Amino acid sequence: GAVVSQHPSRVICKSGTSVKIECRSLDFQATTMFWYRQFPKQSLMLMATSNEGSKATYEQGVEKDKFLINHASLTLSTLTVTSAHPEDSSFYICSAIYIPSEQGTEAFFGQGTRLTVV
Amino acid sequence: QQQVKQSPQSLIVQKGGISIINCAYENTAFDYFPWYQQFPGKGPALLIAIRPDVSEKKEGRFTISFNKSAKQFSLHIMDSQPGDSATYFCAASITNFGNEKLTFGTGTRLTIIP
Repeated sequence: GAVVSQHPSRVICKSGTSVKIECRSLDFQATTMFWYRQFPKQSLMLMATSNEGSKATYEQGVEKDKFLINHASLTLSTLTVTSAHPEDSSFYICSAIYIPSEQGTEAFFGQGTRLTVV
Repeated sequence: QQQVKQSPQSLIVQKGGISIINCAYENTAFDYFPWYQQFPGKGPALLIAIRPDVSEKKEGRFTISFNKSAKQFSLHIMDSQPGDSATYFCAASITNFGNEKLTFGTGTRLTIIP
């Protein structure tokens, strides 16, 4: 299957600093990538849709100025958590859409990033 | 509004048994139904998926059963093994030329006991 690589897997940062998370599609081009947030023992919550070459589309309730998304190429999307606070601590996961054939698409996920803000 | 309902929330199955997880959806426009497996601290991994043109799909020990009229689909894990212990999410989406948003179920924590 297609591979999506997310980096870093874990990061600890001080309150008030910014953290960048990278999401790469390694063996395919992804016009669209998605960013999710997952709280312990809960489902994935979609934060935003990232489209190459255009502005991201944020879900209701997600602060676009706090969670900056850049999709600069067909294989890379980044999520920057700006001025991080302890309540931003969470597990962040990206996914990329892989189109194997005309019959449909599949979503593949990165390994996730555990962000801890101290 | 939760568009995909998943049950049970947790499930304990003996090794060698059959694990069954159920999902129900509301939006009849959904046309893609994947199942994901997630281990602690990892991202979800695509396990198996089905489209509404078939009622069943089998890949190894994993089978999806799909009932379009009832708007339900389920995952069956045959000969369950301790390595299958993980959280399973069903999902649904609408084909949209590469912009498909997944709507996830709430997840099922599966534990396989020896």
